[in-house]
Amino acid sequence: DAGVIQSPRHEVTEMGQEVTLRCKPISGHDYLFWYRQTMMRGLELLIYFNNNVPIDDSGMPEDRFSAKMPNASFSTLKIQPSEPRDSAVYFCASSGEGARDNEQFFGPGTRLTVL
Amino acid sequence: AQSVTQPDIHITVSEGASLELRCNYSYGATPYLFWYVQSPGQGLQLLLKYFSGDTLVQGIKGFEAEFKRSQSSFNLRKPSVHWSDAAEYFCAADNDYKLSFGAGTTVTVRA
Repeated sequence: DAGVIQSPRHEVTEMGQEVTLRCKPISGHDYLFWYRQTMMRGLELLIYFNNNVPIDDSGMPEDRFSAKMPNASFSTLKIQPSEPRDSAVYFCASSGEGARDNEQFFGPGTRLTVL
Repeated sequence: AQSVTQPDIHITVSEGASLELRCNYSYGATPYLFWYVQSPGQGLQLLLKYFSGDTLVQGIKGFEAEFKRSQSSFNLRKPSVHWSDAAEYFCAADNDYKLSFGAGTTVTVRA
């Protein structure tokens, strides 16, 4: 299994531009999580999905952030418009049925820099 | 408020020495507890987890952790550290399907 796949690995963009981060979870996993890691705030859960349905988006910082999961093998996190304070590493993770009893498998992350 | 605290930001240990990383949690009920490791530029890898039962949990790479309810702690240990253990370590608690992470402890291994 290839594990959780994220693209791109690095993204540099200018303030005001739209940014789209992509994630392919492990096949068969029905939970998908988006996290953000910064020096100031550490690792934060942004949103998670179960069976492609958003369950909890209370961690999404602003309306500029949106996430979708159109099917079981693909999710996107979009920032529009981007701001310098959005610079962070964004991780996607997936988990098998029953997230409580299964570990979350993390992707390698996307390092976003907004100039 | 629910939280996970890792009191030590940075620990330096000699290769071959023992290592203990501290983790305290503040939850109404005992959450599920995890330790993850993150190598530079990499994602997080699960070292071990505690749900219930035996309070001493064995994990990968020779790590173990002990759950102490009376102290609300879940400390990670390794008897003999290898240079490859240099990384950042995160304690996390799962409550209602959401992971909350501590701030992390960076471990430096000196020869």
